[in-house]
Amino acid sequence: AVQMTQSPPSLSASVGDTITITCRASQGIGSEVGWYQHQPGRAPRLLVSAASTLQSGVPSRFSGSGSGTDFTLTISSLQPDDLGTYYCLQDYNYPRTFGQGTRVDIK
Amino acid sequence: QARLVQSGAEVKKPGASVTISCQASGYRFNGYYLHWVRQAPGQGLEWMGLVNPIGGSPIYAQKFQGRVTMTRNTSATTISLEVTSLTFEDSAIYYCAREKSNADDAFEIWGQGTKVTVSA
Repeated sequence: AVQMTQSPPSLSASVGDTITITCRASQGIGSEVGWYQHQPGRAPRLLVSAASTLQSGVPSRFSGSGSGTDFTLTISSLQPDDLGTYYCLQDYNYPRTFGQGTRVDIK
Repeated sequence: QARLVQSGAEVKKPGASVTISCQASGYRFNGYYLHWVRQAPGQGLEWMGLVNPIGGSPIYAQKFQGRVTMTRNTSATTISLEVTSLTFEDSAIYYCAREKSNADDAFEIWGQGTKVTVSA
């Protein structure tokens, strides 16, 4: 199974900051990665698919990049509504595997 | 508008079984794979398996092989997840999710989640 190693496990940043979350795959997976936001009491929300395709309705401060084994989610100008846990998910093969998650707190 | 609506919360005793349903609406049911994902308290998201609405065998994560059954009812546009021999570690929120398209396998649409509590 493809292992997705996500870092950091948590971070705390101020409103307006730019933050970066990374996922490293244990093997090359092309661009087959999505990024999800999960807030307490809500279902996960797809932010970015195919490594860099921003989903409709997702603010442009979110962006994804990478291919092969290294992937990045960047949130520029962090907003209070961005708190939650962020996950990468590889959809290259089965079993699908999530990263361990990054908890984002607002200072 | 595509939507997935799941059945309500369940409380079960250890050793029992639970069945959760996920009804799809607002799109062509046969056109998209559907997955099950769970999140135990304090843990991350965990992929459990997928159902092809057209047919064929489900694909299960190895961890759940033999203890989980995923089925579909095309006429009711519904999929179901049965988990047997429940343990306390199965207490979790269970989600169904639909892929975005044939060309993009990301999980675009999610159900609201079903909380399963395993308690003696």
